[in-house]
Amino acid sequence: GENVEQHPSTLSVQEGDSAVIKCTYSDSASNYFPWYKQELGKGPQLIIDIRSNVGEKKDQRIAVTLNKTAKHFSLHITETQPEDSAVYFCAASKQGSGNEKLTFGTGTRLTIIP
Amino acid sequence: DTEVTQTPKHLVMGMTNKKSLKCEQHMGHRAMYWYKQKAKKPPELMFVYSYEKLSINESVPSRFSPECPNSSLLNLHLHALQPEDSALYLCASSQDSRKETQYFGPGTRLLVL
Repeated sequence: GENVEQHPSTLSVQEGDSAVIKCTYSDSASNYFPWYKQELGKGPQLIIDIRSNVGEKKDQRIAVTLNKTAKHFSLHITETQPEDSAVYFCAASKQGSGNEKLTFGTGTRLTIIP
Repeated sequence: DTEVTQTPKHLVMGMTNKKSLKCEQHMGHRAMYWYKQKAKKPPELMFVYSYEKLSINESVPSRFSPECPNSSLLNLHLHALQPEDSALYLCASSQDSRKETQYFGPGTRLLVL
């Protein structure tokens, strides 16, 4: 089955600097890669996703890049703010295959230092 | 509106109790999911309902019993739970189980004494 590795497990960044979180996946048939943000006491919230026919996607301060050959994808947050502090999970799935189970990475605890 | 609601927010139960968790969405989504999340871990899939039929059971113990009364509602019935079942239980929905993004509810934090 699919295996998703996520690094780093913790990340501290000065406010205003950029943060990068990286994930690798094992199944080359995976074609959908969402990123979720989970704040303390809340459920995961989708912040951005990318499909395998696209190499990069941006939404304001957040961007995701995908390298299908290397089987890795990354989340980039620019101009970080205190409210970006949370746990971030990457995930991968094979949509349209009949096995759309999301496989999550182990999570990154991001702390923005004011 | 991408809201999934869950009740109750918190639940404390004894090992002999019977309780139910409820999940609701009004986005017209036809796939709904139950996940279990332990502290500092990612969500683990338990069940998937597609068009109100159970399509995936990830070998979950029978003390957890899901139910999908209609396309907007998903229940998780709990009976004879163990302390190790204490966790955050998350509901999610997506337009269709074969595609589209999963949207999560806020979860029910369960403590089994």
